[in-house]
Amino acid sequence: AQKITQTQPGMFVQEKEAVTLDCTYDTSDQSYGLFWYKQPSSGEMIFLIYQGSYDEQNATEGRYSLNFQKARKSANLVISASQLGDSAMYFCAMREGKRWNNNDMRFGAGTRLTVKP
Amino acid sequence: SQTIHQWPATLVQPVGSPLSLECTVEGTSNPNLYWYRQAAGRGLQLLFYSIGIDQISSEVPQNLSASRPQDRQFILSSKKLLLSDSGFYLCAWSVPTQRGRHEQFFGPGTRLTVL
Repeated sequence: AQKITQTQPGMFVQEKEAVTLDCTYDTSDQSYGLFWYKQPSSGEMIFLIYQGSYDEQNATEGRYSLNFQKARKSANLVISASQLGDSAMYFCAMREGKRWNNNDMRFGAGTRLTVKP
Repeated sequence: SQTIHQWPATLVQPVGSPLSLECTVEGTSNPNLYWYRQAAGRGLQLLFYSIGIDQISSEVPQNLSASRPQDRQFILSSKKLLLSDSGFYLCAWSVPTQRGRHEQFFGPGTRLTVL
């Protein structure tokens, strides 16, 4: 079964506007971590933001924030004031608590964000 | 600071030929290491992960294998490549602590084309 679901294959946003990239997840663990990565056309994977399942507040990192709704099992990424350099693939990922000793993560299929000038 | 290297950056190989991709990490000890494959326009598929020297776990049965001969070296191999092995191969590392974020840090990747 799919652990991470990103339902938006592609998204467009006007420069300087905010955009939300959706991510839902499936786990029976109480302890887990959620991650967002950015992959520009160069191919490198860049870590953006992390949300722990026990964190009471939504994570924020500069222009990135995570809208964490635990009951709905969603962890949407919000990018404020979009810039042309934000155009990239964005991946949501989850690390489940029972696999802490392995630390492996499961990735969604990704969302391609295009920022329009 | 920690760095991760992968080589080669690009590779074109004929079907049936062998493969060896190398990944090395600097600046950390006893990391967890991972191999992922990303098909064109797709997400990442975990292939192998390792929690220590000669300790390899395979996620997907296939004609690929992995080895970890040294603490900070992770090698992806194949005896005979298939067309379906084409893709972007990413190596990653993380710090194996029980608590914490455990985010993975990725190398620059190897783009493999099998013809």
